[in-house]
Amino acid sequence: QVQLQESGPGLVKPSETLSLTCAVSGYSISSGYYWGWIRQPPGKGLEWIGSIYHSGSTYYNPSLKSRVTISVDTSKNQFSLKLSSVTAADTAVYYCADGSGSKGGWFDPWGQGTLVTVSS
Amino acid sequence: SSELTQDPAVSVALGQTVRITCQGDSLRSYYASWYQQKPGQAPVLVIYGKNNRPSGIPDRFSGSSSGNTASLTITGAQAEDEADYYCNSRDSSGNHLFGGGTKLTVL
Repeated sequence: QVQLQESGPGLVKPSETLSLTCAVSGYSISSGYYWGWIRQPPGKGLEWIGSIYHSGSTYYNPSLKSRVTISVDTSKNQFSLKLSSVTAADTAVYYCADGSGSKGGWFDPWGQGTLVTVSS
Repeated sequence: SSELTQDPAVSVALGQTVRITCQGDSLRSYYASWYQQKPGQAPVLVIYGKNNRPSGIPDRFSGSSSGNTASLTITGAQAEDEADYYCNSRDSSGNHLFGGGTKLTVL
């Protein structure tokens, strides 16, 4: 059974880079189709941040593309998110998820989420 | 346009049937997936593909699609179904999209 766990700093200063890692257990990350990051600001809806495919290809939300990097570390069975030049608007619960399917696709399972607050 | 639109809130009487809809141009070409999210919890996949339920999801949940609209139907809604529901799909550029979410109240 695949399990995902996000980790990283819970507090990031404005203008700095947010860095999170998603550890995958119960499954080789190399066998996955794609892996994704999704966030949810407090009291608001879900926002897709980006995905990385088994081929290494990445897709990013156009509204975040200039600031986002997603990478995979197969040796550690984990993938990572970097979001640069953060502001208070980046305060959110960040989720990582296992992606499947090509005609639409879906995310399952999800990690429990980690709250990242941007504040000085 | 690359957007998915959901009604912000829907209510249903206990035991009755409710349909939650998701509209968007991308749905003419791609399936929607549906997620249930309860307060303080991560989203859980309830419907994916044409109309598939992950293991453990009750069969009162079903999905359908017509034109630019995807629907999640709960037949015989239970109190535990009260939650936020989000649709998700892709656009032609390969980007994922989420709807704004629908808050379901079971009366």
